[in-house]
Amino acid sequence: DTEVTQTPKHLVMGMTNKKSLKCEQHMGHRAMYWYKQKAKKPPELMFVYSYEKLSINESVPSRFSPECPNSSLLNLHLHALQPEDSALYLCASSHAGTSGGGEQFFGPGTRLTVL
Amino acid sequence: EDQVTQSPEALRLQEGESSSLNCSYTVSGLRGLFWYRQDPGKGPEFLFTLYSAGEEKEKERLKATLTKKESFLHITAPKPEDSATYLCAVHGSSNTGKLIFGQGTTLQVKP
Repeated sequence: DTEVTQTPKHLVMGMTNKKSLKCEQHMGHRAMYWYKQKAKKPPELMFVYSYEKLSINESVPSRFSPECPNSSLLNLHLHALQPEDSALYLCASSHAGTSGGGEQFFGPGTRLTVL
Repeated sequence: EDQVTQSPEALRLQEGESSSLNCSYTVSGLRGLFWYRQDPGKGPEFLFTLYSAGEEKEKERLKATLTKKESFLHITAPKPEDSATYLCAVHGSSNTGKLIFGQGTTLQVKP
């Protein structure tokens, strides 16, 4: 299994809602990532988990809250988002922890729209 | 500061017309250069990893090469299904765990 899966595929939420994005991988990878991508821009790193511990937080607003329940799962909890947070949210994983580098494999993304 | 620049920003080719995409980089301690393909609204699809100057990788109509300053993605006899945005990224020793992406090259192949 060489896939990273993400749910839901699409999400529309109001600014007062609370929702969660989910990501799963079964490749035995030890690092997992959340990215945000705006149209015609490259992915922008948000968070990195290495061996289930948060190792990088790219100064992301607290309305985004990551969680890594186990080595295969990664969640992104959303609360009180702004319309400018509308974007494609991508999850990725890589074999080694962050010190090992290596290619990252991306999921299909969740298209988020904040009204 | 680690940096990646891709050119051209957009490229339009006729089917069968070979060309190359460029990725210039500056990084302290290259730990890997990566090429991805991204279709609209989808996640990036991993293509190649290159680690050292002189290295080459091939997959179907694509060939990636690496020097100490840049990487090329050569597309031989492209087909319309090769149309996509191609992203280049580097992993340097000073940015452990963080990929530095270029802005991408959007390729359109017309039949």
